[in-house]
Amino acid sequence: QVQLVESGGGVVQPGRSLRLSCAASGFTFSTYGMHWVRQAPGKGLEWVAHVGYGGNNLHYADSVKGRFTISRDTSKNTLYLQMNSLRPEDTAVYCCARDLTGHWTIDYWGRGTLVTVS
Amino acid sequence: QSALTQPASVSGSPGQSITISCTGTSSDVGGYNYVSWYQQHSGKAPKLMIYDVNSRPSGVSTRFSGSKSGDTASLTISGLQPEDEANYYCISYTRSSTWVFGGGTKLTVL
Repeated sequence: QVQLVESGGGVVQPGRSLRLSCAASGFTFSTYGMHWVRQAPGKGLEWVAHVGYGGNNLHYADSVKGRFTISRDTSKNTLYLQMNSLRPEDTAVYCCARDLTGHWTIDYWGRGTLVTVS
Repeated sequence: QSALTQPASVSGSPGQSITISCTGTSSDVGGYNYVSWYQQHSGKAPKLMIYDVNSRPSGVSTRFSGSKSGDTASLTISGLQPEDEANYYCISYTRSSTWVFGGGTKLTVL
């Protein structure tokens, strides 16, 4: 079955960087677009970034554009989120999620990894 | 990229029907039939309930249905059950090739 397992979260000071990883299994990773979505403690969901199945076609939320970079390594079945110039408002659980191909939405989600900027 | 507008909370008794609205603009909800709905129980990952405005993934109860009129999409849950109590989020694809979520609605089954 589809599994998405995030890692790399932790406590980081404002202005510093962090890289999140998402290990994918149970499906052909190279044929799916992927997302990062975050949820601040006690708050709603916020879409962060998307990468097409080919690794190009990148899109970002205005709140992270210029600071975050989404990428993927098909040989490792892994999705990444490089987060630079972190701010306290970036504190959230970060989840990776899979495209529902052809329907411009998300079908499967990981459980997430907590990033605390303080 | 303003969040889509959802009511903060709705409630209903078991067996009743409720509707949750999700209002956007012509650049997102009104411009595309790519509105989805997710159910999220506390501490769990979101579950896809509706996609493409009114399509149900395999395994989702027929008690869940979706619709859209203009810039507003809606999720209707009929025959409310206690296990339906959760947070519900809408999401839409946008003209900017990005996605935007609603603020979320807490459903309470009385």
